[in-house]
Amino acid sequence: NAGVTQTPKFQVLKTGQSMTLQCAQDMNHEYMSWYRQDPGMGLRLIHYSVGAGITDQGEVPNGYNVSRSTTEDFPLRLLSAAPSQTSVYFCASSYSTGTYNEQFFGPGTRLTVL
Amino acid sequence: KNEVEQSPQNLTAQEGEFITINCSYSVGISALHWLQQHPGGGIVSLFMLSSGKKKHGRLIATINIQEKHSSLHITASHPRDSAVYICAVGRGGNQFYFGTGTSLTVIP
Repeated sequence: NAGVTQTPKFQVLKTGQSMTLQCAQDMNHEYMSWYRQDPGMGLRLIHYSVGAGITDQGEVPNGYNVSRSTTEDFPLRLLSAAPSQTSVYFCASSYSTGTYNEQFFGPGTRLTVL
Repeated sequence: KNEVEQSPQNLTAQEGEFITINCSYSVGISALHWLQQHPGGGIVSLFMLSSGKKKHGRLIATINIQEKHSSLHITASHPRDSAVYICAVGRGGNQFYFGTGTSLTVIP
C-alpha cells in the first residue's frame, strides 16, 4: 500500500493564481482531511470529508475548496492564491470518523505564494 | 488561548538520556494522540490514548484524565529520535486541537 500520497511536494505560486493540491489514499478510509502547518502554530484543519460526496469546513476554510467524488481522492483547491496561504499542507485519512482512530498523514506539500 | 499546551518547546538531550515531553489540555476530550514529525516533514502517529498507559519499544505514553495531562517518555534516547513531537486531543466529532510541538534533538 502507498498509504496517503500528496502531489506536488513543492510549489511556488504568484498571488492570484489558482492550483489544486492532490491527495489520494489506498486504504479505503472513510475520513479524509486537509491541514495547514505554520511556524509557531499547531496543525489547523481546513476542510474534511466523512465519505464520498460529503465535505465540511474546518477551522480555516476561507480561500480553499474541496470535493470528494471518490473514496480515494480528496483534492484541495486554492481559488486565488494569497501570500497568507504560504504554508505546509498535509492531507490525512483515517479508517472511520471520530477521534479514536489513528490518522495517517501524507508527506506534505510546501507551498510558497509570492 | 491554546487548548493544548506542550512543554518544553525545545529539548536537547545526550544520547541515552531519559526524556519526558508534557502535554496539558483545557477541554474535555475523547482521545489524545501523540504524533512524530521527522525533519523531512512526514508525520506519523505514535499513540492514541483514552486512559492509562501505552508502551511501544522505548516510547511510553501516559494520560491522567482528571488532571488533563499526558506525558510522552523516551527511554535510552537515540539520535534517530530527533524529531518534533506533537500532542493532539480529540474534540469530538472528527476534529482535533493540536499542540505546537516539542522539538527534540538527541546529541550522540
